Amino acid sequence: EVVLTQSPDFQSVTPKEKVTITCRASQSIGSSLHWYQQKPDQSPKLLIKYASQSISGVPSRFSGSGSGTDFTLTINSLEAEDAAAYYCHQSSSLPHTFGQGTKLELK
Amino acid sequence: QLQLQESGPGLVKPSETLSLTCTVSGGFISSSSHYWGWIRLPPGQGLEWIGSIYYSGSTYYNPSLKSRVAISADTSKNQFSLKLSSVTAADTAVYYCVRLDCSSKTCYFDYWGQGTLVTVSS
Repeated sequence: EVVLTQSPDFQSVTPKEKVTITCRASQSIGSSLHWYQQKPDQSPKLLIKYASQSISGVPSRFSGSGSGTDFTLTINSLEAEDAAAYYCHQSSSLPHTFGQGTKLELK
Repeated sequence: QLQLQESGPGLVKPSETLSLTCTVSGGFISSSSHYWGWIRLPPGQGLEWIGSIYYSGSTYYNPSLKSRVAISADTSKNQFSLKLSSVTAADTAVYYCVRLDCSSKTCYFDYWGQGTLVTVSS
C-alpha cells in the first residue's frame, strides 16, 4: 500500500503566518492527492482535491501543489480559525491511505 | 445539501459484531458518480479507510480488515451499513460514513457524517 508521511507532526503558529505542510508518498501517485482539515469535535472537511484543485467555499488562502511523490499544502496569512489537524489522502491505488496528520496549534 | 448521519450502538463487547448504519438525505446513494464508505479515527491515531460500496453492490475493503468487514447498501431506504465482526479494543474509534466523488479518474471524500464513537469494552 502507499504510505504517506506528513511533516511536521505538530506546529505552533501565529495569525498572519504562512504555513507549509508537506506530504510525501512512498511511490508515485500522480496528482491523486487530497487534503482535509479537521477542527476539534468536527468531522474532516475537504480542502484541496487532486493536489492543487480548489474546492468551492474553501478560503483562497489554502492552496496545494505537487505531483508524483511530493506534495505541499500552503496556508497564506493563517487565521485563528485555521488551528486544526490536516491530513493528506491518496486515491491512486487501493487501499485509500492517509498521512498521519499535522496538528496546527495557536501560540 | 447532502447530509450523512451515522447511527448504531456506542458500546460493543469484545468478540461481538459492530453494526452501524448511515442514512443519506439530500441525495441518493444510487448516484452513478459516487461511492459510499466508512472511515475511522482511533483515539490518538490517524484516519483509516475501512471500505467502500457502489449502489449496485460492488465493494472494496481495506485488506487489513477485509476478513472481518461487510458493507451493504439499501437503496429503498437510502442507507448503507457497516458490520465489523470479532471486535477488540483496537476497534475503538470514531466511525465516519462518507461519500466518495468518483467523477474523475480516482475518488476523494467530499461529504462526511458527523461521526459516532464506538467503544469496545466489556
